[in-house]
Amino acid sequence: GESVGLHLPTLSVQEGDNSIINCAYSNSASDYFIWYKQESGKGPQFIIDIRSNMDKRQGQRVTVLLNKTVKHLSLQIAATQPGDSAVYFCAENIESGGSYIPTFGRGTSLIVHP
Amino acid sequence: DAGVIQSPRHEVTEMGQEVTLRCKPISGHDYLFWYRQTMMRGLELLIYFNNNVPIDDSGMPEDRFSAKMPNASFSTLKIQPSEPRDSAVYFCASSLVVAGANVLTFGAGSRLTVL
Repeated sequence: GESVGLHLPTLSVQEGDNSIINCAYSNSASDYFIWYKQESGKGPQFIIDIRSNMDKRQGQRVTVLLNKTVKHLSLQIAATQPGDSAVYFCAENIESGGSYIPTFGRGTSLIVHP
Repeated sequence: DAGVIQSPRHEVTEMGQEVTLRCKPISGHDYLFWYRQTMMRGLELLIYFNNNVPIDDSGMPEDRFSAKMPNASFSTLKIQPSEPRDSAVYFCASSLVVAGANVLTFGAGSRLTVL
């Protein structure tokens, strides 16, 4: 029979709009978080990170917000462009035997319409 | 640095054949990770190395999968024998942990199709 694929959450926006991608993380002890962007046919690439002692961090057109109370991260992209179309993953660093190993979320597909 | 280099980029093989995927991490990085990505399961961590030593292989699906890192500049992921359900994109990533921050640099991936 037909296999059921992993249906990624999808966000569709118009070029020029602001985008907000959300992520819930699992471990309250996680102290470092990263957003990655994966374009079609490529590996994930680092976008922006944030430590748990911060609530907000801004980059160029991107902002990450961290709400530790509800274990929630968001990635805001200002003035979204077609080149922003990709799958976005959040990752939390979880300490394991002295190492800090990233655990990835499911990902969100962002589609930007010109 | 040319980044993390993986080969082959694409491989098509028949069920039962041995598959070897290769990875050259970024020079100076002390962690190396192998991930598998499928539509069904998303991005799965298979195994990771620290200073060439395998630390956690609990994500390796079964004994048909093995990974080695004979030196700091080379790692292999081997599947023997391969099965159709192994079809996926396999990513290698490397990193250098600084103050608890582990930022991975991924390779372009090896797309494996097992017929």
